[in-house]
Amino acid sequence: DAGVTQSPTHLIKTRGQQVTLRCSPKSGHDTVSWYQQALGQGPQFIFQYYEEEERQRGNFPDRFSGHQFPNYSSELNVNALLLGDSALYLCASSYDREWYGYTFGSGTRLTVV
Amino acid sequence: QQQVKQSPQSLIVQKGGIPIINCAYENTAFDYFPWYQQFPGKGPALLIAIRPDVSEKKEGRFTISFNKSAKQFSLHIMDSQPGDSATYFCAKGADTYSGAGSYQLTFGKGTKLSVIP
Repeated sequence: DAGVTQSPTHLIKTRGQQVTLRCSPKSGHDTVSWYQQALGQGPQFIFQYYEEEERQRGNFPDRFSGHQFPNYSSELNVNALLLGDSALYLCASSYDREWYGYTFGSGTRLTVV
Repeated sequence: QQQVKQSPQSLIVQKGGIPIINCAYENTAFDYFPWYQQFPGKGPALLIAIRPDVSEKKEGRFTISFNKSAKQFSLHIMDSQPGDSATYFCAKGADTYSGAGSYQLTFGKGTKLSVIP
């Protein structure tokens, strides 16, 4: 049973560019959440997608956007990259609001130069 | 701003010792307090979780103690092993089934644990 799959694992982008990160949820999960984890910090909530809509958003600018597809997979898009966007981006999936099933992927390490 | 204050930032114990990690929260409108374990290069993995109507919960060598009146909870690792060396995060989440409407987990800044053989 595959867990949460994220791609790519590592990415280097130039300041000002745009990036798309991808996430496939764990089998049976229909909800995808995205978190940003800066070095030495805890994950910070970006947003959550359920039924192909953004259900809740954290304190992140509009440069961060997302999408959920009918098969529950999701994308995170970041426009106009800043050096401060360098972080580990984590995807977590769950079955609707069930906390105990909340499962994280291994993340995408984004470096902005 | 950080709504979950975690301490210490780092911890070194000998094998067999009992590391204790503490967390304090401010807002009482949360009903789910999980602990996550993260190894380098991996995402956080759920270790153990507690709801505030329970004062203590044990799963194997891991125990959560919860003090609702003090708004604090802690993780104890009994008979710690070198394989327990990782970063540990406490977090809080709303009871979404109550309709509180918050679907995010709020994390502490983490505690890097090193267990020396």
